[in-house]
Amino acid sequence: EVQLVESGGGLVQPGGSLRLSCAASGFTFSSYWMHWVRQAPGKGLVWVSRINSDGRGTNYADSVKGRFTISRDNAKNTLYLQMNSLRAEDTAVYFCARGQLAAAGGFDYWGQGTLVTVSS
Amino acid sequence: QSALTQPASVSGSPGQSITISCTGTSSDVGSYDLVSWYQHHPGKAPKLMIYEGSKRPSGVSNRFSGSKSGNTASLTISGLQAEDEADYYCCSYASSSTWVFGGGTKLTVL
Repeated sequence: EVQLVESGGGLVQPGGSLRLSCAASGFTFSSYWMHWVRQAPGKGLVWVSRINSDGRGTNYADSVKGRFTISRDNAKNTLYLQMNSLRAEDTAVYFCARGQLAAAGGFDYWGQGTLVTVSS
Repeated sequence: QSALTQPASVSGSPGQSITISCTGTSSDVGSYDLVSWYQHHPGKAPKLMIYEGSKRPSGVSNRFSGSKSGNTASLTISGLQAEDEADYYCCSYASSSTWVFGGGTKLTVL
């Protein structure tokens, strides 16, 4: 059974940093692109970032470019999102999602999400 | 990276059919057959319902179908059931390995 479990969320002050993790199991993690998607309170889903299977290719939404870094450790079956210079508008539930094997396709499995709150 | 446009809400009675539209541009929806649709019950993990515009993952009811015309994709749910009540999001590949979601549509089963 495919499982994605996010962790690392919490309350952080504006300008602060946080690192999210996503532990994957039930599939060959190193074969799949992975993504982060977020949902601000009362708002819709927003794509944040993706990383290819070997970790050498990454892309970001304009809203987080230069502040967030996606990475992965295929030996540990874990995806990460390093978030720096956090702003109030980054407050959201952050989901990790598995990309379909057709690399530009949809996201076929999701975690339950972890809440990040940016507030003083 | 502007969000795709979806109606904020739609509703229907059990057994009826509804359609949710998703309008993008020639840079995303119109350029690729890579629109996906997600069902999201708040507090739970989103679920993939349609991928590549019209394909259903294994286990998804054939009451769910997808289509596209030009810059607009659509999700149709036939034979509405109470458990279909949820938020629905479209998403399109948007070039250069980026993706864009729609604003979401709240489906109410009356």
